[in-house]
Amino acid sequence: DAMVIQNPRYQVTQFGKPVTLSCSQTLNHNVMYWYQQKSSQAPKLLFHYYDKDFNNEADTPDNFQSRRPNTSFCFLDIRSPGLGDAAMYLCATSRDPSYEQYFGPGTRLTVT
Amino acid sequence: GQQLNQSPQSMFIQEGEDVSMNCTSSSIFNTWLWYKQDPGEGPVLLIALYKAGELTSNGRLTAQFGITRKDSFLNISASIPSDVGIYFCAGPGAGSYQLTFGKGTKLSVIP
Repeated sequence: DAMVIQNPRYQVTQFGKPVTLSCSQTLNHNVMYWYQQKSSQAPKLLFHYYDKDFNNEADTPDNFQSRRPNTSFCFLDIRSPGLGDAAMYLCATSRDPSYEQYFGPGTRLTVT
Repeated sequence: GQQLNQSPQSMFIQEGEDVSMNCTSSSIFNTWLWYKQDPGEGPVLLIALYKAGELTSNGRLTAQFGITRKDSFLNISASIPSDVGIYFCAGPGAGSYQLTFGKGTKLSVIP
């Protein structure tokens, strides 16, 4: 049974065309995270929500935004995707920030 | 910032062999996590360690949280072809909620 679900698994967008990636969880975890992972690299944290509190990493570009309308769902909005934003985007959840994180299967974003 | 040094970077082993990989840090970590990532998929949690000295097994996998809280190792016994993938160590450092990742160990198993 899937616990962290990401849709779509593959997304193609045009340069500069806004795109939204979605994540949902059935674990009822308090914290949801968004990571960016490029080829042969470790995941890089973009931001996280602790309940409704949004925490942005200092080096996350302004081009990236996030929304968490309720406990189960979290969205990643890329306002004007550039070629450098092509990557795997991973959603993760944890009960508490100091506990283990569970990842979704990821969304592979291609920018043309 | 905190860093995790993971080694080896890659390994080629024969099916049936045992595997060992480790992570070290100059900073204390309160939690050590080991993940496996298959191509095109998200990382899957293998083992979570919360106490210094803790030794935990999950099937053929065994991981230990170092006494100094600055290192951890993962062992895989009797490797099989489906063990192929990238293994990451990760953990939030002391006083930090951000998860720091090692650079990964790419494991290849030769049948």
